[in-house]
Amino acid sequence: EPEVTQTPSHQVTQMGQEVILRCVPISNHLYFYWYRQILGQKVEFLVSFYNNEISEKSEIFDDQFSVERPDGSNFTLKIRSTKLEDSAMYFCASKWQADNNSPLHFGNGTRLTVT
Amino acid sequence: GDSVTQMEGPVTLSEEAFLTINCTYTATGYPSLFWYVQYPGEGLQLLLKATKADDKGSNKGFEATYRKETTSFHLEKGSVQVSDSAVYFCALSDRSQAGTALIFGKGTTLSVSS
Repeated sequence: EPEVTQTPSHQVTQMGQEVILRCVPISNHLYFYWYRQILGQKVEFLVSFYNNEISEKSEIFDDQFSVERPDGSNFTLKIRSTKLEDSAMYFCASKWQADNNSPLHFGNGTRLTVT
Repeated sequence: GDSVTQMEGPVTLSEEAFLTINCTYTATGYPSLFWYVQYPGEGLQLLLKATKADDKGSNKGFEATYRKETTSFHLEKGSVQVSDSAVYFCALSDRSQAGTALIFGKGTTLSVSS
Protein backbone atom coordinates (compact mmCIF):
# COMPACT_ATOMS: atom_id res chain seq x y z
CA GLU A 1 0.00 0.00 0.00
CA PRO A 2 1.34 3.48 -0.87
CA GLU A 3 2.74 5.42 2.06
CA VAL A 4 3.59 8.95 3.04
CA THR A 5 7.31 9.03 3.84
CA GLN A 6 9.08 11.58 6.01
CA THR A 7 12.75 12.29 6.48
CA PRO A 8 14.64 12.50 8.70
CA SER A 9 12.98 10.53 11.48
CA HIS A 10 14.81 12.63 14.07
CA GLN A 11 16.42 16.05 13.68
CA VAL A 12 18.41 17.83 16.35
CA THR A 13 19.20 21.51 15.81
CA GLN A 14 20.40 24.50 17.78
CA MET A 15 18.12 27.40 18.59
CA GLY A 16 18.14 30.00 15.81
CA GLN A 17 19.07 27.53 13.08
CA GLU A 18 16.95 26.79 10.04
CA VAL A 19 15.54 23.31 9.51
CA ILE A 20 13.78 21.71 6.58
CA LEU A 21 11.53 18.73 7.17
CA ARG A 22 10.84 16.63 4.12
CA CYS A 23 7.85 14.61 3.06
CA VAL A 24 6.93 12.57 0.02
CA PRO A 25 3.13 12.33 -0.15
CA ILE A 26 1.29 9.50 -1.87
CA SER A 27 1.79 10.03 -5.58
CA ASN A 28 -1.79 10.64 -6.78
CA HIS A 29 -2.81 12.76 -3.79
CA LEU A 30 -3.57 16.42 -4.30
CA TYR A 31 -3.95 17.87 -0.78
CA PHE A 32 -1.04 18.09 1.63
CA TYR A 33 -0.81 18.94 5.30
CA TRP A 34 1.58 19.49 8.16
CA TYR A 35 0.63 18.80 11.76
CA ARG A 36 2.70 18.87 14.91
CA GLN A 37 2.46 17.25 18.31
CA ILE A 38 4.32 18.70 21.25
CA LEU A 39 5.09 15.93 23.73
CA GLY A 40 2.02 15.08 25.77
CA GLN A 41 -0.22 17.53 23.93
CA LYS A 42 -2.73 17.50 21.09
CA VAL A 43 -1.96 16.89 17.45
CA GLU A 44 -2.24 20.43 16.06
CA PHE A 45 -2.94 21.51 12.50
CA LEU A 46 -0.30 23.79 10.98
CA VAL A 47 -1.04 24.22 7.28
CA SER A 48 -2.73 22.72 4.24
CA PHE A 49 -1.54 23.03 0.66
CA TYR A 50 -3.32 22.52 -2.66
CA ASN A 51 -2.56 23.49 -6.23
CA ASN A 52 0.81 24.92 -5.25
CA GLU A 53 -0.48 27.30 -2.65
CA ILE A 54 -1.47 27.39 0.99
CA SER A 55 -5.21 26.80 1.34
CA GLU A 56 -5.47 27.09 5.11
CA LYS A 57 -3.13 27.78 8.02
CA SER A 58 -3.42 27.93 11.77
CA GLU A 59 -2.28 30.62 14.19
CA ILE A 60 0.78 28.51 14.91
CA PHE A 61 1.95 28.85 11.30
CA ASP A 62 3.56 32.27 11.60
CA ASP A 63 6.22 33.96 9.50
CA GLN A 64 8.96 31.63 10.64
CA PHE A 65 7.24 28.73 8.87
CA SER A 66 6.98 28.11 5.15
CA VAL A 67 5.99 25.22 2.92
CA GLU A 68 7.00 24.31 -0.58
CA ARG A 69 6.45 21.65 -3.19
CA PRO A 70 9.68 22.16 -5.09
CA ASP A 71 9.62 19.33 -7.58
CA GLY A 72 6.20 17.71 -7.84
CA SER A 73 6.97 14.94 -5.38
CA ASN A 74 8.47 16.45 -2.22
CA PHE A 75 6.54 18.62 0.22
CA THR A 76 8.73 20.49 2.68
CA LEU A 77 8.24 22.43 5.88
CA LYS A 78 10.88 25.04 6.65
CA ILE A 79 11.36 26.63 10.04
CA ARG A 80 13.58 29.67 9.58
CA SER A 81 14.86 30.37 13.06
CA THR A 82 14.03 27.56 15.43
CA LYS A 83 12.98 28.17 19.01
CA LEU A 84 13.02 25.77 21.93
CA GLU A 85 9.23 25.58 21.81
CA ASP A 86 9.37 24.26 18.23
CA SER A 87 10.53 20.92 19.63
CA ALA A 88 7.78 18.50 18.65
CA MET A 89 6.86 15.61 16.40
CA TYR A 90 5.95 16.93 12.95
CA PHE A 91 3.58 14.87 10.82
CA CYS A 92 3.02 15.22 7.11
CA ALA A 93 -0.26 14.00 5.62
CA SER A 94 -1.93 13.83 2.24
CA LYS A 95 -5.26 12.94 0.71
CA TRP A 96 -6.72 12.53 -2.73
CA GLN A 97 -10.10 14.22 -2.51
CA ALA A 98 -11.19 17.52 -1.03
CA ASP A 99 -14.29 16.38 0.83
CA ASN A 100 -14.17 15.97 4.57
CA ASN A 101 -15.05 12.28 4.37
CA SER A 102 -11.79 11.47 2.63
CA PRO A 103 -9.27 10.28 5.22
CA LEU A 104 -5.82 11.69 5.67
CA HIS A 105 -2.81 9.41 5.23
CA PHE A 106 -0.02 10.27 7.63
CA GLY A 107 3.71 9.74 7.60
CA ASN A 108 5.61 8.35 10.58
CA GLY A 109 6.69 11.82 11.64
CA THR A 110 9.93 13.72 12.20
CA ARG A 111 10.92 14.33 15.80
CA LEU A 112 12.48 17.79 15.97
CA THR A 113 14.59 18.60 19.01
CA VAL A 114 15.75 22.19 19.42
CA THR A 115 18.56 22.67 21.95
CA GLY B 1 -14.36 26.90 17.70
CA ASP B 2 -14.50 23.22 16.95
CA SER B 3 -12.86 20.90 19.46
CA VAL B 4 -12.50 17.28 20.50
CA THR B 5 -12.21 16.02 24.06
CA GLN B 6 -10.98 12.52 24.87
CA MET B 7 -10.76 10.69 28.15
CA GLU B 8 -7.42 10.97 29.88
CA GLY B 9 -5.11 8.00 29.71
CA PRO B 10 -3.31 5.82 30.08
CA VAL B 11 -5.84 3.03 29.93
CA THR B 12 -4.42 -0.27 31.17
CA LEU B 13 -6.32 -3.48 30.46
CA SER B 14 -5.78 -7.21 30.51
CA GLU B 15 -6.14 -9.17 27.29
CA GLU B 16 -9.78 -9.95 26.38
CA ALA B 17 -11.13 -7.08 28.49
CA PHE B 18 -13.76 -4.69 27.15
CA LEU B 19 -12.50 -1.31 25.97
CA THR B 20 -14.23 2.05 25.92
CA ILE B 21 -12.45 5.29 25.10
CA ASN B 22 -14.75 8.28 25.42
CA CYS B 23 -14.76 11.10 22.88
CA THR B 24 -17.00 14.14 22.74
CA TYR B 25 -16.90 16.98 20.29
CA THR B 26 -17.98 20.56 19.76
CA ALA B 27 -18.70 21.68 16.21
CA THR B 28 -20.66 24.42 14.53
CA GLY B 29 -21.69 22.34 11.52
CA TYR B 30 -22.15 18.66 10.76
CA PRO B 31 -18.74 17.10 11.12
CA SER B 32 -17.38 13.80 9.99
CA LEU B 33 -15.81 11.90 12.88
CA PHE B 34 -12.74 9.70 12.87
CA TRP B 35 -10.63 7.51 15.10
CA TYR B 36 -6.95 7.31 14.27
CA VAL B 37 -4.44 4.93 15.87
CA GLN B 38 -0.70 5.37 16.34
CA TYR B 39 1.31 2.23 17.01
CA PRO B 40 4.75 2.67 18.60
CA GLY B 41 7.21 4.22 16.17
CA GLU B 42 4.64 4.68 13.43
CA GLY B 43 2.45 7.42 11.99
CA LEU B 44 -1.25 7.98 12.48
CA GLN B 45 -3.49 5.45 10.72
CA LEU B 46 -7.19 5.77 10.12
CA LEU B 47 -9.01 3.19 12.23
CA LEU B 48 -12.64 4.02 11.44
CA LYS B 49 -14.93 6.87 10.53
CA ALA B 50 -18.58 7.99 10.51
CA THR B 51 -19.91 10.76 8.38
CA LYS B 52 -23.41 11.42 9.72
CA ALA B 53 -25.55 10.98 12.79
CA ASP B 54 -26.27 7.36 13.84
CA ASP B 55 -23.60 5.99 11.49
CA LYS B 56 -21.48 3.27 13.02
CA GLY B 57 -17.85 2.98 11.94
CA SER B 58 -16.12 -0.34 12.47
CA ASN B 59 -12.76 -1.94 11.75
CA LYS B 60 -10.58 -4.66 13.31
CA GLY B 61 -13.22 -5.32 15.99
CA PHE B 62 -13.41 -1.66 17.00
CA GLU B 63 -16.67 0.25 16.74
CA ALA B 64 -17.86 3.80 17.27
CA THR B 65 -21.32 5.29 16.77
CA TYR B 66 -21.89 8.93 15.82
CA ARG B 67 -24.30 10.26 18.46
CA LYS B 68 -25.47 13.75 17.57
CA GLU B 69 -27.72 14.07 20.61
CA THR B 70 -24.80 13.56 22.99
CA THR B 71 -22.11 14.89 20.59
CA SER B 72 -20.12 11.74 21.21
CA PHE B 73 -18.15 9.16 19.25
CA HIS B 74 -16.94 6.65 21.84
CA LEU B 75 -14.57 3.91 20.72
CA GLU B 76 -15.34 0.35 21.86
CA LYS B 77 -13.91 -3.10 21.45
CA GLY B 78 -15.33 -6.23 23.01
CA SER B 79 -12.06 -8.08 23.58
CA VAL B 80 -8.72 -6.30 23.36
CA GLN B 81 -5.43 -7.93 22.40
CA VAL B 82 -1.86 -7.06 23.31
CA SER B 83 -1.40 -5.91 19.72
CA ASP B 84 -4.03 -3.18 20.29
CA SER B 85 -1.59 -1.32 22.54
CA ALA B 86 -1.26 2.09 20.91
CA VAL B 87 -2.33 5.71 21.16
CA TYR B 88 -5.88 6.39 19.93
CA PHE B 89 -6.93 9.80 18.61
CA CYS B 90 -10.45 11.01 18.07
CA ALA B 91 -10.80 13.65 15.34
CA LEU B 92 -13.38 15.66 13.45
CA SER B 93 -13.56 17.37 10.10
CA ASP B 94 -16.16 20.09 9.79
CA ARG B 95 -16.02 21.61 6.33
CA SER B 96 -16.30 20.28 2.84
CA GLN B 97 -13.65 22.35 1.16
CA ALA B 98 -10.21 21.83 -0.19
CA GLY B 99 -7.66 21.65 2.58
CA THR B 100 -10.16 20.73 5.27
CA ALA B 101 -8.16 20.32 8.44
CA LEU B 102 -8.72 17.56 10.95
CA ILE B 103 -9.07 18.63 14.56
CA PHE B 104 -7.66 16.06 16.96
CA GLY B 105 -8.15 15.19 20.56
CA LYS B 106 -5.15 14.76 22.85
CA GLY B 107 -4.93 11.04 22.35
CA THR B 108 -5.48 8.17 24.77
CA THR B 109 -2.74 5.63 25.39
CA LEU B 110 -3.96 2.05 25.64
CA SER B 111 -1.73 -0.58 27.19
CA VAL B 112 -2.89 -4.21 27.06
CA SER B 113 -1.07 -6.90 29.03
CA SER B 114 -1.29 -10.67 28.60
